[in-house]
Amino acid sequence: NAGVTQTPKFRILKIGQSMTLQCTQDMNHNYMYWYRQDPGMGLKLIYYSVGAGITDKGEVPNGYNVSRSTTEDFPLRLELAAPSQTSVYFCASRSYRSSYNEQFFGPGTRLTVL
Amino acid sequence: ELKVEQNPLFLSMQEGKNYTIYCNYSTTSDRLYWYRQDPGKSLESLFVLLSNGAVKQEGRLMASLDTKARLSTLHITAAVHDLSATYFCAVGGGADGLTFGKGTHLIIQP
Repeated sequence: NAGVTQTPKFRILKIGQSMTLQCTQDMNHNYMYWYRQDPGMGLKLIYYSVGAGITDKGEVPNGYNVSRSTTEDFPLRLELAAPSQTSVYFCASRSYRSSYNEQFFGPGTRLTVL
Repeated sequence: ELKVEQNPLFLSMQEGKNYTIYCNYSTTSDRLYWYRQDPGKSLESLFVLLSNGAVKQEGRLMASLDTKARLSTLHITAAVHDLSATYFCAVGGGADGLTFGKGTHLIIQP
C-alpha cells in the first residue's frame, strides 16, 4: 500500500495562474480531506468528501474547488492563485468503518505564489 | 465554533527532564488526537483518545484525556533529543474533519 500520495511535492506559481494539486489513496477510504498549513500554524480544513460525487466546504474554502469522481482521487483546484495561498497542502483520508476515525496524511505539497 | 488551544507553543528543554503539553478545546468532541510533525514532513499519528479518563502510553510519551475539563495532556518523560518535533492536538473525528491546535514546537537539547 502506498497510502496517501500527493503530487507535486513543490510548486511555484505566479499570481493569477491556476493549478491542480493531486491526491490519491489506495486504502479504499470513503472520506478524504484537504488541509492547508501556514507557517507556525496548525492545519485548517479546506474541503472534504464523504464519497464519490459528494464534497463539502471546510473552514477556509475560498479560492479553491474540488471534485471527487472516484473513491481514490480527490484533486484540489486553485483557479486564480494569490499570495495568500502560499502554504503547505495536505491531503488525508480515513475509513468510515474505523472506530478511531483516524486520518492518514499524505506527504504534502509546498506551494509558493509570487 | 470549535477552538483548540495548545500551550506552550514553544518549549526548549534538556534531555532527561519531564514536561507536559496541554490541549484545551471549547466544545464537546468525540475524539482527541495527538500528532507529531518533523520539519518539512507530514503528520504522524501518535495517539487517539476516545473517552473520559483515557490514558495511552508509547515509550516516553503518555497522553490523557479529561472530557469534563475539555483537556488533554501529552507528558514527556526523561526527554531525549529524538523527541524534538512539533506536536499537534486535534479534535473531531466526524465526517467533517479535524480542528487542530497551533502546535507545540519542542526542542530537546543534550
